[in-house]
Amino acid sequence: EAGVAQSPRYKIIEKRQSVAFWCNPISGHATLYWYQQILGQGPKLLIQFQNNGVVDDSQLPKDRFSAERLKGVDSTLKIQPAKLEDSAVYLCASSLGRIFTDTQYFGPGTRLTVL
Amino acid sequence: AQTVTQSQPEMSVQEAETVTLSCTYDTSESDYYLFWYKQPPSRQMILVIRQEAYKQQNATENRFSVNFQKAAKSFSLKISDSQLGDAAMYFCAYTPPLANSGYALNFGKGTSLLVTP
Repeated sequence: EAGVAQSPRYKIIEKRQSVAFWCNPISGHATLYWYQQILGQGPKLLIQFQNNGVVDDSQLPKDRFSAERLKGVDSTLKIQPAKLEDSAVYLCASSLGRIFTDTQYFGPGTRLTVL
Repeated sequence: AQTVTQSQPEMSVQEAETVTLSCTYDTSESDYYLFWYKQPPSRQMILVIRQEAYKQQNATENRFSVNFQKAAKSFSLKISDSQLGDAAMYFCAYTPPLANSGYALNFGKGTSLLVTP
C-alpha cells in the first residue's frame, strides 16, 4: 500500500513570497490533516478535512494560509504572503476517519525555510 | 483545551538497555486515546503504540510498552532491549473521542532519544 505522498520535500523562499504544498493521501482515506511542526516543537494541527469538507480550521492563520481538498482526494496548502515565522515542516496525514481509533499515517513532510 | 507535556527534552540509553520516556496530559474527558509516535531523522512520523483510556490493561507492542496511570494522567513509554534504530524523536499525543473534533492529535514537544553502542 502506498503511503502519504508530499511535495516538494524542501522549499526556500523569501518573506512575502507565496508557496504551495501538495499532499496525496492513502487511497480510500476520508480524513486528511495538515500539521505545522516548528523546530523543537510537536506538530500542531492547521486544518482537517473530512472528504472535501473542512472539519476544523480554527488554528489556520486565514489571513495568509489557505487550503483545499480537490474532489476529496489530493490537498494543497498555500501560504501568501509568507513570514519568517512560517519556517517549519508541514506534515500531511490521512486516516480512514471513521472512528477515533483509526490510525493517522503521516507523509515525509515539506521543510519550508523563509528568508 | 487538552495539553500534553513531555518533561524530558533528551534521553540517552545504551544499546540493549531499557529506557522510559515520560508524558503527562490534561483533560476533562473520561475516554480518549493516547499515542506514542516516533519521528526518525527522515521525518516520517510512525505510530509506535496506542492506549484507550477506558482499558486498564497497559498496551504492549513487542519491545514497547506503556505505563498508563489514568488518575495521575500519566502515560510513559518503556523501550526494552534498546536498539540503534530506536534513536529518534518520540512524541506523546492525545485525541478526544469527539467526532466533531475530528480526532486530530494534540502533541507534546517531544523527547529526543539517543542510543549509544
